[in-house]
Amino acid sequence: QVQLQQSGAELVKPGSSVKISCKASGYTFTSYDMHWIKQQPGNGLEWIGWIYPGNGNTKYNQKFNGKATLTADKSSSTAYMQLSSLTSEDSAVYFCARPLPGYNPNWFAYWGQGTLVTVSS
Amino acid sequence: DIQMTQSPASLSASLGETVTIECLASEDIYDILAWYQQKPGKSPQLLIYDASSLHTGVPSRFSGSGSGTQYSLKINSLQPEDFASYYCQNGLSAPNTFGAGTKLELK
Repeated sequence: QVQLQQSGAELVKPGSSVKISCKASGYTFTSYDMHWIKQQPGNGLEWIGWIYPGNGNTKYNQKFNGKATLTADKSSSTAYMQLSSLTSEDSAVYFCARPLPGYNPNWFAYWGQGTLVTVSS
Repeated sequence: DIQMTQSPASLSASLGETVTIECLASEDIYDILAWYQQKPGKSPQLLIYDASSLHTGVPSRFSGSGSGTQYSLKINSLQPEDFASYYCQNGLSAPNTFGAGTKLELK
């Protein structure tokens, strides 16, 4: 079965960077986009972007250009998101999500458990 | 960007009741809309896609409808496990945008 296992919670200092991971299993990693979504405490969902691990192509929400960098390692079936120049506004839970097969690639049928990033000095 | 306006922001209902959540898109999204359920501390779960198609395993008491800019999620005969937050999502064009959510609480 499809599983997305994310890395653990991070406590990071303002101005630093953090890289979180999403290890995929149960399907061919290179065949589906991997999306990333942000959720601030008590708030709604914000789409960050996607990466297609098959060829490394990416697409970002303009709002996250320069903030988020998406990469993927085919050998370990793991997607990564690096967040840079962190501020308190980046404190959130970050989810990876995979689309529903055979349909609109923006329907997120599989989700990781989320990674909490806390930015604090 | 397409804006998604959800209403109400919160809703209080009893077991067995029927409730409806609305989602208004800032432009026509041609039924390219999904609904998600999220429980506290958990990941969102896909309920409905393409405005009215029920995702595998989702109970039939959930239904979606609408067209153009106006969409709704209806939950018939509320069960204890239905008390959660619900989000609509535009899937027509990037960036994918979500509604602000509706928190459904037990009265």
